[in-house]
Amino acid sequence: KQEVTQIPAALSVPEGENLVLNCSFTDSAIYNLQWFRQDPGKGLTSLLLIQSSQREQTSGRLNASLDKSSGRSTLYIAASQPGDSATYLCAVNTGNQFYFGTGTSLTVIP
Amino acid sequence: EPEVTQTPSHQVTQMGQEVILRCVPISNHLYFYWYRQILGQKVEFLVSFYNNEISEKSEIFDDQFSVERPDGSNFTLKIRSTKLEDSAMYFCASSPPSRRETQYFGPGTRLLVL
Repeated sequence: KQEVTQIPAALSVPEGENLVLNCSFTDSAIYNLQWFRQDPGKGLTSLLLIQSSQREQTSGRLNASLDKSSGRSTLYIAASQPGDSATYLCAVNTGNQFYFGTGTSLTVIP
Repeated sequence: EPEVTQTPSHQVTQMGQEVILRCVPISNHLYFYWYRQILGQKVEFLVSFYNNEISEKSEIFDDQFSVERPDGSNFTLKIRSTKLEDSAMYFCASSPPSRRETQYFGPGTRLLVL
């Protein structure tokens, strides 16, 4: 069974810093990997989706990488802002369903 | 841009009552999913649905749960006799026919069972 782990569980940084969130998964047979943002008590906002054949995707200040063979992905956030404070979820798609990690709770301090 | 919508946004019910959670997938999508997230825990897959039948379900999706596409637009999750541990956020998702591996998530329904 696919297991998805995210490290760290929580992260607090001062505004303006660049940061990296990590995601690892146990089974490399995936279709794609997606990073989501979740605000407290809210739904899932898709940030970036990387297909299994891709190495990275970029959207604005966000860059996600994928190393399928080693079962790892990173989400890089440049020049962090207080509005980036949220929980970031990594999810891998095996074709029929997504397996989610427990998330990294990010706090950006003004 | 088309979105998956879910109603209600919040529901409170008494233990043992039946609840129906509703989802309107994106109009041309053919694959539908339900996930749940118990407070503080991972988002977990419940069930996937295609061509008017369940295509895959997890061990969580027991006989208390059922799904239905009663018309051309709605996709519902029914919990027959709710338990306290059913309290969670329930997310609906859908996929287009040409890109089944891409799922679009709704905003969720927060269910509280008292």
